[in-house]
Amino acid sequence: GESVGLHLPTLSVQEGDNSIINCAYSNSASDYFIWYKQESGKGPQFIIDIRSNMDKRQGQRVTVLLNKTVKHLSLQIAATQPGDSAVYFCAETPNTGGFKTIFGAGTRLFVKA
Amino acid sequence: EPEVTQTPSHQVTQMGQEVILRCVPISNHLYFYWYRQILGQKVEFLVSFYNNEISEKSEIFDDQFSVERPDGSNFTLKIRSTKLEDSAMYFCASSEQGALYEQYFGPGTRLTVT
Repeated sequence: GESVGLHLPTLSVQEGDNSIINCAYSNSASDYFIWYKQESGKGPQFIIDIRSNMDKRQGQRVTVLLNKTVKHLSLQIAATQPGDSAVYFCAETPNTGGFKTIFGAGTRLFVKA
Repeated sequence: EPEVTQTPSHQVTQMGQEVILRCVPISNHLYFYWYRQILGQKVEFLVSFYNNEISEKSEIFDDQFSVERPDGSNFTLKIRSTKLEDSAMYFCASSEQGALYEQYFGPGTRLTVT
């Protein structure tokens, strides 16, 4: 079936530490996996995506890892800053040809100063 | 920096009434989407739109919903006869050719059905 879920609803980290947000997915046929950030009162903001034929992709201060064997996706944020406090959603794009994106339940990241 | 805009920011309507939510996607984008988010819950896909037709829709997007691109800049979501459970934040998003899944979201319209 189509479902994307998150291991933890909240994550609290100290400013400057690295954050790791995890996600499990169930649809093996998805083309892309994506991470979005949503700040309070705003729409989701694209962070990074990874194609299903890749294991790792790096962006600015973020790294996404994809483990297809265990259907696991993670987002690593280096040197977490107060501005990183938000809800993070993983999402997947089933290979249905219609550009559908399925979001997971979200993890709230708190950054302690 | 170009951005997706949505109007109104908040819409209050009575059950059974029709509402139209409006969006102006980023000008060079070709793919358009509507999502909804019930308070405190995850973002749910409603519909994707490309080349003046629906590409895919979810089970939420029933006959009460329709989308339209009436001109070269606007993209609208119409709910024909609103129900209490339609109360949610509705987000429009757009993306460009070659980066389909790098979607840019608008600030949302909060729809309250009373």
